[in-house]
Amino acid sequence: EDQVTQSPEALRLQEGESSSLNCSYTVSGLRGLFWYRQDPGKGPEFLFTLYSAGEEKEKERLKATLTKKESFLHITAPKPEDSATYLCAVQRGGSGNTGKLIFGQGTTLQVKP
Amino acid sequence: DGGITQSPKYLFRKEGQNVTLSCEQNLNHDAMYWYRQDPGQGLRLIYYSQIVNDFQKGDIAEGYSVSREKKESFPLTVTSAQKNPTAFYLCATFSTGWGGYTFGSGTRLTVV
Repeated sequence: EDQVTQSPEALRLQEGESSSLNCSYTVSGLRGLFWYRQDPGKGPEFLFTLYSAGEEKEKERLKATLTKKESFLHITAPKPEDSATYLCAVQRGGSGNTGKLIFGQGTTLQVKP
Repeated sequence: DGGITQSPKYLFRKEGQNVTLSCEQNLNHDAMYWYRQDPGQGLRLIYYSQIVNDFQKGDIAEGYSVSREKKESFPLTVTSAQKNPTAFYLCATFSTGWGGYTFGSGTRLTVV
């Protein structure tokens, strides 16, 4: 069964304190792994797509990496405006792909000034 | 600007009442999805449609219904058969171009 597990559920950091969020997954034939950011009461906002093990992508203070079993979202020198819930999702590949994403439960990040 | 519009932002439902959530897109994407989000849980798929006049059940379709009469619109009806409808509902489209989802801003449904 396809499954995505994110850890930790919640993370509190001081401004400037770097850390990483984990996304472990099991899926039959990975088509893509997605990271989204979600602010309270809003829809998720796209951050990254990773397609194959070893791939890395960066955007400002965020860097996403992918292995065959997990993905990490590294946050370097975070600022209070990075506070949000970060969602990880996977898409299965192969024939009959419906575009369906399987989501983890999210990691809620709070960055204190 | 291209995007997805969900309305209303807040919706209150009485016991035994059906309510309809609107989702409109001008991205020209074929595939549209409805997800439900509960605190501490991942997004769960309710229904999806890959083409006009066709849709499929997701993982938690019981108590919900949809229609897809035109490409731009994918409304979700929460029926009285849905016993625990209080949640945050998200509509999304899928782009075959960049291979990812674009989400609307969501509708928060509360049973009163």
